[in-house]
Amino acid sequence: AQSVTQLGSHVSVSEGALVLLRCNYSSSVPPYLFWYVQYPNQGLQLLLKYTSAATLVKGINGFEAEFKKSETSFHLTKPSAHMSDAAEYFCAVSKETSGSRLTFGEGTQLTVNP
Amino acid sequence: EAGVTQSPTHLIKTRGQQATLRCSPISGHTSVYWYQQALGLGLQFLLWYDEGEERNRGNFPPRFSGRQFPNYSSELNVNALELEDSALYLCASSLVVRRETQYFGPGTRLLVL
Repeated sequence: AQSVTQLGSHVSVSEGALVLLRCNYSSSVPPYLFWYVQYPNQGLQLLLKYTSAATLVKGINGFEAEFKKSETSFHLTKPSAHMSDAAEYFCAVSKETSGSRLTFGEGTQLTVNP
Repeated sequence: EAGVTQSPTHLIKTRGQQATLRCSPISGHTSVYWYQQALGLGLQFLLWYDEGEERNRGNFPPRFSGRQFPNYSSELNVNALELEDSALYLCASSLVVRRETQYFGPGTRLLVL
């Protein structure tokens, strides 16, 4: 069964610093990979997705992620953190053979310090 | 373009009661998914409906059920509520040709007392 592991349940950065949120997946075939963001008391917003096109994927709000098959990773980065980036981030994986269900990581809470 | 909408935003029930949650997908989306986000359990897939049929379900008991209407909106019903059913229930929708890309609603927060 496919799974997703997010390293670090809490990440804290200073405003203006690099944001790096880690995600590793286990899958026998290249899956679809996603990053979602959840602001307090809200639903999930799609940040970006990898669907076997370019390995470097650009998303909204200045975020991007790189698919590395050799490392089975899909880490999320942003060059310069803003206070508004404080939220919980979820990595997710999907394969058509699993009925299009999304399997989520446990989430990483990002704190941005002034 | 309106996003996925869910109602109610909050729901308070007592143990043993039934809860009904509603979801309207993005216009043009025919697939609807339900997920449960419970404290300490993360986000778990519940159900997938497409073209009015249940296509897949997660590891949840049969008292979790639902349906999809001809206009593609959906209901999630939870019977015989238990305290551990307290959670945020998220609905998502997708195009039938892009099932892997799901867009989420704001959720319904269910509290079982």
